[in-house]
Amino acid sequence: EDQVTQSPEALRLQEGESSSLNCSYTVSGLRGLFWYRQDPGKGPEFLFTLYSAGEEKEKERLKATLTKKESFLHITAPKPEDSATYLCAVHRNYGQNFVFGPGTRLSVLP
Amino acid sequence: KAGVTQTPRYLIKTRGQQVTLSCSPISGHRSVSWYQQTPGQGLQFLFEYFSETQRNKGNFPGRFSGRQFSNSRSEMNVSTLELGDSALYLCASSLRKGELNTEAFFGQGTRLTVV
Repeated sequence: EDQVTQSPEALRLQEGESSSLNCSYTVSGLRGLFWYRQDPGKGPEFLFTLYSAGEEKEKERLKATLTKKESFLHITAPKPEDSATYLCAVHRNYGQNFVFGPGTRLSVLP
Repeated sequence: KAGVTQTPRYLIKTRGQQVTLSCSPISGHRSVSWYQQTPGQGLQFLFEYFSETQRNKGNFPGRFSGRQFSNSRSEMNVSTLELGDSALYLCASSLRKGELNTEAFFGQGTRLTVV
């Protein structure tokens, strides 16, 4: 069965303390992996798309990487405004197009 | 460029009533998907519409339905509301290239509370 898991469930960092979030997937026919950021009460905001193993994308303090089984979202020197829930989703080439993971709730303390 | 617009933002309904939510996608996007988000279940896929046709459907009862109009705007309807239908309903639009979608862009959601 296709599955997307994320770890940790919640993460607390001090401002400037770098870390990584993990997204593991077991999906046949993967067409892409997406990262989103979601603030409370709002819709998810698109961050990155990764299509093939070895691919990397960067945006400000965020860097996403992809292997054949998982993706990492690296956060370098985070700031309090980076606090949010980070969601990953896989895009399959059949059936339900996007399957979302449960998310990692990130808190960055000043 | 305008984003995805969902209306209304908030709704309070009584058990047994029905509700209709609206979504206007990004201009040029013809694929619209609907999701239900709850604290316990996360983001759950409801259905996807493309060119006024339902292309994919998630595991929700028949009380949940939708449609898409010729201008790509979409509506979803929930009949005979239950307390468990209280959730944030999100609409996402994307470009479709053949059978594949590009990244999805989400609206702000409609917060439905069933009392």
